[in-house]
Amino acid sequence: DGGITQSPKYLFRKEGQNVTLSCEQNLNHDAMYWYRQDPGQGLRLIYYSQIVNDFQKGDIAEGYSVSREKKESFPLTVTSAQKNPTAFYLCASTTDGLNTEAFFGQGTRLTVV
Amino acid sequence: AQSVAQPEDQVNVAEGNPLTVKCTYSVSGNPYLFWYVQYPNRGLQFLLKYITGDNLVKGSYGFEAEFNKSQTSFHLKKPSALVSDSALYFCAVRDIGGNDYKLSFGAGTTVTVRA
Repeated sequence: DGGITQSPKYLFRKEGQNVTLSCEQNLNHDAMYWYRQDPGQGLRLIYYSQIVNDFQKGDIAEGYSVSREKKESFPLTVTSAQKNPTAFYLCASTTDGLNTEAFFGQGTRLTVV
Repeated sequence: AQSVAQPEDQVNVAEGNPLTVKCTYSVSGNPYLFWYVQYPNRGLQFLLKYITGDNLVKGSYGFEAEFNKSQTSFHLKKPSALVSDSALYFCAVRDIGGNDYKLSFGAGTTVTVRA
């Protein structure tokens, strides 16, 4: 089945550690996105990538990093510089064209312990 | 810059009554507009989108939305709500102006439909 796979579903991290969230899609989509979801704040855009080897900062990129070495993969690293990383992280992708809707993964819940 | 506002955190309706979830947007050019629904601890599911043409857009599960350019709004509606429509709803916008795929979401509206 085509879709977006985020792993792991739950992730625990100690303060001061970097952690990488995986996002893989087999939809042959060009654009990929990372969002952070906190209660009452909706979805805030962290990074997005329109094509391989290119990505742009979203609205809350500080403390995060990404790479886009392959079309199907867009991993997100939450660094120790992120002050409040506990959140629900969602990955999405869209096919070519500004009028296309996004497809979402099932999310990764990150908890800092 | 582009942004979306969902002025209501919560909407409560009785089953069988009409449901409206409000959304206003801000873009420098013209918008592409989207509605999504989210169930607990899950990703978002696409409901419908406005690209061009008819201002009334029909989507999944009996939902529709009306684009109003003068009021910069894109309210989601359903004529007769079901208990199963209880979920978190998000409006999203993309500015057509540049070749930028940035997709911005609102804060979400929690819909509760009581039996």
